[in-house]
Amino acid sequence: AQTVTQSQPEMSVQEAETVTLSCTYDTSESDYYLFWYKQPPSRQMILVIRQEAYKQQNATENRFSVNFQKAAKSFSLKISDSQLGDAAMYFCAYRSAGRHKLVFGAGTILRVKS
Amino acid sequence: NAGVTQTPKFQVLKTGQSMTLQCAQDMNHEYMSWYRQDPGMGLRLIHYSVGAGITDQGEVPNGYNVSRSTTEDFPLRLLSAAPSQTSVYFCASSPVTGGPYNEQFFGPGTRLTVL
Repeated sequence: AQTVTQSQPEMSVQEAETVTLSCTYDTSESDYYLFWYKQPPSRQMILVIRQEAYKQQNATENRFSVNFQKAAKSFSLKISDSQLGDAAMYFCAYRSAGRHKLVFGAGTILRVKS
Repeated sequence: NAGVTQTPKFQVLKTGQSMTLQCAQDMNHEYMSWYRQDPGMGLRLIHYSVGAGITDQGEVPNGYNVSRSTTEDFPLRLLSAAPSQTSVYFCASSPVTGGPYNEQFFGPGTRLTVL
């Protein structure tokens, strides 16, 4: 079974600075998808960024980018120019290709200081 | 489109009571699922469905029942609530054939407390 590990329960970043959230996963599959979800205090789950395992190029969405290291099974999220609105719980998630269920990590709480 | 809706938003039950958490989506998605979120454990899959009349168990199905009589609705039933079922529950839906990502859309969640 696949597992996802987020080793940082909490992180803090100064407004306008850059922060990186870590995620590692364990799988024997070669084709899969990885996701980062943001959960603000409203509880709503918001998809931030996604990566296909067969793509070598790291995904980027505005201030959010990932560092995908397939051999190391690592999928970190970098947030540049952090804003107060980035404060939230962030979940890393894995999905096998051809399937629909998501496997989530435990989450990282990100605090942004002004 | 309303997306994925869940009712109620909050609920308090006594041990042994039963209730149904409602989930509906208006995007004609084939796939629907229920997750529970607990501190330090992320979201864990309870049950899922790939279409009307088809359901299957996820990672933590004990104590929960589901049915899928229509494409739109996927209710989650707690037959005899236990304090261990205190959690936040999320319903999600996605297309089965919408492309490689088949992005999942989440409802707003239901916070359930069992006393």
